[in-house]
Amino acid sequence: GAVVSQHPSRVICKSGTSVKIECRSLDFQATTMFWYRQFPKQSLMLMATSNEGSKATYEQGVEKDKFLINHASLTLSTLTVTSAHPEDSSFYICSAIRDRGPEQYFGPGTRLTVT
Amino acid sequence: KQEVTQIPAALSVPEGENLVLNCSFTDSAIYNLQWFRQDPGKGLTSLLLIQSSQREQTSGRLNASLDKSSGRSTLYIAASQPGDSATYLCAPSSQGGSEKLVFGKGTKLTVNP
Repeated sequence: GAVVSQHPSRVICKSGTSVKIECRSLDFQATTMFWYRQFPKQSLMLMATSNEGSKATYEQGVEKDKFLINHASLTLSTLTVTSAHPEDSSFYICSAIRDRGPEQYFGPGTRLTVT
Repeated sequence: KQEVTQIPAALSVPEGENLVLNCSFTDSAIYNLQWFRQDPGKGLTSLLLIQSSQREQTSGRLNASLDKSSGRSTLYIAASQPGDSATYLCAPSSQGGSEKLVFGKGTKLTVNP
């Protein structure tokens, strides 16, 4: 199989704090991982592309200093939302490509609520 | 910029019906196209992937077709079941070796017993 996990599944934090979300490929090595954000009743929007051992590539309009991405190993990428605000409340989903792809395998998502 | 439209936005059918979900995209220079299902509050499950050189893919009761030149894809579900109830998402990926997916808003399917 190709299983991707995310942790935590739900997180509530206070405005101004930082939150880290982990994305792991459990049974394969992922050279590339993607981070998406989904607002209610909206489509998934790609935030950034994460390659192991290099800096992430951010989509236009996504603040790289606010959404810190680290892809330190072939099975783990992390997204840190710094100085979170209520408007950052959303569903964050990661995906990973196995071998050279092209199929993407998605994690179960993380529901972030900033109060 | 690639834009993806899925029609209808919502669909409710009785169990056993065959149905078609439609997807159109504005930029036909795609690498491949994937169909996913998303259950409420959950991540995405990959259903089918069609390479740009292919015209269709089948998996069980699902059949996806691709007409790249006209920017259209359809997902056909045969003999629908209540367990098929979910939101179905279409996502073409850009060409040039990039795997970036652009998603539509999806079609919310409800199959009534």
